[in-house]
Amino acid sequence: AQSVTQLGSHVSVSEGALVLLRCNYSSSVPPYLFWYVQYPNQGLQLLLKYTSAATLVKGINGFEAEFKKSETSFHLTKPSAHMSDAAEYFCAVSTWANNLFFGTGTRLTVIP
Amino acid sequence: DSGVTQTPKHLITATGQRVTLRCSPRSGDLSVYWYQQSLDQGLQFLIQYYNGEERAKGNILERFSAQQFPDLHSELNLSSLELGDSALYFCASSPGGTGENTQYFGPGTRLTVL
Repeated sequence: AQSVTQLGSHVSVSEGALVLLRCNYSSSVPPYLFWYVQYPNQGLQLLLKYTSAATLVKGINGFEAEFKKSETSFHLTKPSAHMSDAAEYFCAVSTWANNLFFGTGTRLTVIP
Repeated sequence: DSGVTQTPKHLITATGQRVTLRCSPRSGDLSVYWYQQSLDQGLQFLIQYYNGEERAKGNILERFSAQQFPDLHSELNLSSLELGDSALYFCASSPGGTGENTQYFGPGTRLTVL
């Protein structure tokens, strides 16, 4: 079975500060891992994905994530937060069956 | 814009009624997925179709059904609606049916059951 745990339902950072959103996964087989972002009243937009190639994955808008098998983690980071980063972020896991299992989401607030 | 379209954007109906949500996948994508997003359940996978055939089922109620047509668009039918069915329903599409297939999401249909 696959599952994802996102630590922290709300995270607040100051503009220009480091963004760190945590995600731990559980999977009985090698997983594919994804981060999606949801802006208010919009759908889900893919930020980045891990598919067993490089463990450090770069995505859009300056975000990146590192796959750490020993820690079963796939945390999302951005060196410097912008006001436009305020949104809800979802970590998701899938396997060969391709169905996505989502975490409960983390709402990011950026303080000016 | 992901290339996935969903209609309608908003739907307001009464308990006991039946509604149909429509999804058109990205050009060339054969798989369509339906997800439900609600405050208490979060984002949940409902069902997947691949090239017209049901491929996988998730937490889909018996009152709900879906199909994928020859032109690859999909419809999600929700019947005997209850207040708890109020949610955002997303459709996603991907090129294939298994393996690493990134899913691209539509803008969603917001269903309100009164």
